[in-house]
Amino acid sequence: GEDVEQSLFLSVREGDSSVINCTYTDSSSTYLYWYKQEPGAGLQLLTYIFSNMDMKQDQRLTVLLNKKDKHLSLRIADTQTGDSAIYFCAEAQAGGFKTIFGAGTRLFVKA
Amino acid sequence: NAGVTQTPKFQVLKTGQSMTLQCAQDMNHEYMSWYRQDPGMGLRLIHYSVGAGITDQGEVPNGYNVSRSTTEDFPLRLLSAAPSQTSVYFCASRPDSVQTGELFFGEGSRLTVL
Repeated sequence: GEDVEQSLFLSVREGDSSVINCTYTDSSSTYLYWYKQEPGAGLQLLTYIFSNMDMKQDQRLTVLLNKKDKHLSLRIADTQTGDSAIYFCAEAQAGGFKTIFGAGTRLFVKA
Repeated sequence: NAGVTQTPKFQVLKTGQSMTLQCAQDMNHEYMSWYRQDPGMGLRLIHYSVGAGITDQGEVPNGYNVSRSTTEDFPLRLLSAAPSQTSVYFCASRPDSVQTGELFFGEGSRLTVL
């Protein structure tokens, strides 16, 4: 069945780059998402990439997709303390009804 | 613009009690869903609905019931609460039933079952 895996914790210093990694198993996934959850809040979409793309850049965020290895990464440049949150990788199929989430990576940013 | 509203935000139940978590959205979204969030396990889909009168099971449906009598509301019922149902519950919606675009999440309902 579908599965999405990601490491649970990442700690970086303020100003450094953060790289959060994710692997997924469903080769028919069409949409791959990164959601951000701040303390006490629901998830909010951060960015997404279609499976026919290799890379997407949006200001400080860069998403890389290696479809052969089913590996997705999120790079946050110049990480700030406000980036401290849980980041969820998620995948979905076109025409499907379910979005499958990973366990979430808790990002700690040290000042 | 309220978005997705969940009530209550916090609830404590005793084993065997029943309760309903409410979810309402004011965006005229076709698709609504319920997830539970547990440490180290991420979000797991409980039930979802692709429109009024249509519901289906997700990954972990046992112990939960849902109904969708209107486009706006999608309540989640716990029939006989168990400690294993202690979790944070999120309602999420999106504009259409076919998989495109982002999910919009409520702020969550934290449930403790003693």
